[in-house]
Amino acid sequence: DVKVTQSSRYLVKRTGEKVFLECVQDMDHENMFWYRQDPGLGLRLIYFSYDVKMKEKGDIPEGYSVSREKKERFSLILESASTNQTSMYLCASSLGRGREKLFFGSGTQLSVL
Amino acid sequence: AQKITQTQPGMFVQEKEAVTLDCTYDTSDQSYGLFWYKQPSSGEMIFLIYQGSYDEQNATEGRYSLNFQKARKSANLVISASQLGDSAMYFCAMREGMGNTGKLIFGQGTTLQVKP
Repeated sequence: DVKVTQSSRYLVKRTGEKVFLECVQDMDHENMFWYRQDPGLGLRLIYFSYDVKMKEKGDIPEGYSVSREKKERFSLILESASTNQTSMYLCASSLGRGREKLFFGSGTQLSVL
Repeated sequence: AQKITQTQPGMFVQEKEAVTLDCTYDTSDQSYGLFWYKQPSSGEMIFLIYQGSYDEQNATEGRYSLNFQKARKSANLVISASQLGDSAMYFCAMREGMGNTGKLIFGQGTTLQVKP
C-alpha cells in the first residue's frame, strides 16, 4: 500500500515562528500536493509539485513556500506563522502520468498562538 | 468562482436506507475526472470512486455509485444500504488540468450521519 507520512499529527507554534511541515511518500509518485482544510471551506490547494525542484502555486499560496529536493519528500514552509494559518494541513501524492488518484497523509493540525 | 459545489453541509439517513450526496461542477475542459473521498472522524481521506468525463457508464464500487449527468454537470454520490460506519464527511473533487500535472479541486464537503 502507498504510504504518505506527515511528520507531526499536532503542532503548536507561536506567531512569527518559521514552521516546517514535512511529508514523505514511499511509492515513487511524481506528484505531491499540500492542502489546508478548514470547516465550511473544504480542502484548498496551497502548492503542488510534479517533479523534483518543480513547484506550482495552488489557490492559496500566500504566506507559504515549498521545497522538493528529493522525489519522496515535499515540505511546506510557513516563513512567519500567523494565527490565520491555524488549520489542518494535508499532504497528498499521486502517481502522475495521467493517474490522478490522490493518496493522503493523516494530516497535521497546526495551531498558531 | 467555485468549481465544485456541495450544497448540503449536513445530511441524516436511517441505517439501511440509501442516500444521495449532491455535487455540481464547473469546467470548460472536455476531459476531466470526478472523485469522491470519505473522511471519517479519524481524519484520514479515503478514496471511494472515480468517474472519467468520457466514461459512458456510471461508476460503481460496492455500495457506492456515482450518478453522472454530464449535461447538468452533476456527479452525485449514491450510498446504498447505509451503515453506521458511513458516518463521515464526504468530499467531491474534480481533476483540473491535463496530462501529468493534474490537480484536484475539492468541494466544501457534506457531513453524513447515519442513524441506527
